Amino acid sequence: GQQLNQSPQSMFIQEGEDVSMNCTSSSIFNTWLWYKQDPGEGPVLLIALYKAGELTSNGRLTAQFGITRKDSFLNISASIPSDVGIYFCAGRLPGEAGNNRKLIWGLGTSLAVNP
Amino acid sequence: DGGITQSPKYLFRKEGQNVTLSCEQNLNHDAMYWYRQDPGQGLRLIYYSQIVNDFQKGDIAEGYSVSREKKESFPLTVTSAQKNPTAFYLCASSILDYNEQFFGPGTRLTVL
Repeated sequence: GQQLNQSPQSMFIQEGEDVSMNCTSSSIFNTWLWYKQDPGEGPVLLIALYKAGELTSNGRLTAQFGITRKDSFLNISASIPSDVGIYFCAGRLPGEAGNNRKLIWGLGTSLAVNP
Repeated sequence: DGGITQSPKYLFRKEGQNVTLSCEQNLNHDAMYWYRQDPGQGLRLIYYSQIVNDFQKGDIAEGYSVSREKKESFPLTVTSAQKNPTAFYLCASSILDYNEQFFGPGTRLTVL
């Protein structure tokens, strides 16, 4: 199946640093979602984006829906130890009802934070 | 509290045995999904269901079966035909016309 290109694959940062990660696609998406997964748990939705150019914040997290509709970015400011986990992007292709229920997933960015 | 429950958290089975993973939601969501997660592979869709008594194959349906007899429940059976069943299995649900999927805590299946 189709996948998104998510980068970087992993990051190791110092507490207090800002983090940036992104997802790109060769196809246009009409929705971008960002999730965080803690080890051994299910992903938790962080931010949902629905319009090209949309910029949305959730606490220290900010995500943007790229203007070309082929990419999205997630930034984390002033990282803390509990930010550790895997961050996934997911997108939905425009299309016929039914088939477009499926999300296309990135492979994740693994974040480690050194206290 | 509303949410999605998966049980058990850890499951061990012998090779050649079928095993059924439970997924229940009390969010009144119409759509439910099963994903498989392997290290470094991200989430891969096994099956999804938009309404009761209807479901569609995802990207890796071979060796799996599902049923949707009730809105709240979407059990997944891993059959002996699945070549490499050891993985982390995630169930999710969503409101039908919305994109956000909400996940359960997952079941880690180990086949010995």
